[in-house]
Amino acid sequence: DQQVKQNSPSLSVQEGRISILNCDYTNSMFDYFLWYKKYPAEGPTFLISISSIKDKNEDGRFTVFLNKSAKHLSLHIVPSQPGDSAVYFCAASLPSGQLTFGSGTQLTVLP
Amino acid sequence: ETGVTQSPTHLIKTRGQQVTLRCSSQSGHNTVSWYQQALGQGPQFIFQYYREEENGRGNFPPRFSGLQFPNYSSELNVNALELDDSALYLCASRSTLNTEAFFGQGTRLTVV
Repeated sequence: DQQVKQNSPSLSVQEGRISILNCDYTNSMFDYFLWYKKYPAEGPTFLISISSIKDKNEDGRFTVFLNKSAKHLSLHIVPSQPGDSAVYFCAASLPSGQLTFGSGTQLTVLP
Repeated sequence: ETGVTQSPTHLIKTRGQQVTLRCSSQSGHNTVSWYQQALGQGPQFIFQYYREEENGRGNFPPRFSGLQFPNYSSELNVNALELDDSALYLCASRSTLNTEAFFGQGTRLTVV
């Protein structure tokens, strides 16, 4: 069973606009959520994280929102830039540090 | 500060053979995890090591095994390779003080 789901395989956004990437989870034991960005032929790069006791975390152009009752989180990128084009993975962490990943969303930012 | 490095970057093996992949953790990180990423999917957790002991394992058979050394570097061993083992293998390290795991560039394994 997929405990972490990213239902949109792809997303296209115009440069300067907002990109919103979504993620749903099922396991209430997850205590931390992370977003990673991945370019081809590279490992995932950590972007931003949020503890399960928070509902928002912001870092520059990146903001992650957590709705615990809905078991839903989202990553907002404002403004989107062409260099943001990559695959974005949502990951959920158990207290042990074990990460469960979604299947990823390919973001394309159009100039 | 040195990041997570993995070797080799690419590898081709024959079905039934054995393979060893290597990982050097980021400086100051004492926990290392291995993930398998098949094409078009997210990384899947294989196992995690802390202080040279396995302390978590995903849904992978016993022919997947690992080691962590006193300098926190790590190995992933896969015996009796199958065609479905073809994937990108990722190593990640972190400090127990933080949840954020940092990944290496991966080893692309092809089993023919």
